[in-house]
Amino acid sequence: GAGVSQSPRYKVTKRGQDVALRCDPISGHVSLYWYRQALGQGPEFLTYFNYEAQQDKSGLPNDRFSAERPEGSISTLTIQRTEQRDSAMYRCASSLGPSSSYNSPLHFGNGTRLTVT
Amino acid sequence: DQQVKQNSPSLSVQEGRISILNCDYTNSMFDYFLWYKKYPAEGPTFLISISSIKDKNEDGRFTVFLNKSAKHLSLHIVPSQPGDSAVYFCAASARGGNEKLTFGTGTRLTIIP
Repeated sequence: GAGVSQSPRYKVTKRGQDVALRCDPISGHVSLYWYRQALGQGPEFLTYFNYEAQQDKSGLPNDRFSAERPEGSISTLTIQRTEQRDSAMYRCASSLGPSSSYNSPLHFGNGTRLTVT
Repeated sequence: DQQVKQNSPSLSVQEGRISILNCDYTNSMFDYFLWYKKYPAEGPTFLISISSIKDKNEDGRFTVFLNKSAKHLSLHIVPSQPGDSAVYFCAASARGGNEKLTFGTGTRLTIIP
């Protein structure tokens, strides 16, 4: 497919379990971003990568959240010891150029809906 | 604190008329602004952007206006079409690019045929 692919589409997990959310960016895109979107809100920045390097993780809520992009392509967002407040839509986006480029808009995936019971 | 605010949760406009969506921001460091459009069950799609060195940017039926002194931007869609019915998010960046976008809460636009 030509777009950003995220899996799984839906994830239901019990409180205390770890989850791993996957993002497959558009081929050749340099930058990859993770956002979280609560119901009725706009996306909230979590972290982003240029190639395999994590440039900014200031949006990660706490140390239970981590992300990696080891080969500069696919990325995984991991949430350890999930809590009910982690329930949200997690969105990945990628952009062709580096994040500092005006002319390289973000392309968002359809998201992973995480529900922690 | 909400640094990007979209105070109208919803807006209904007759087909063919002008749609005006508004956005206010509080962070004076923001220098790049964007509008995204979102259909149900899909991710947001980039629509149009403007940097702080400009006060207007136009792309077809879509025009974004920026008033830096008022910390206000607006998106004009003219003429409005049924396919424009979607949620519109305003976003801003303080680093001159796409790094760390701050989004508003969105405005649901409904075009009435």
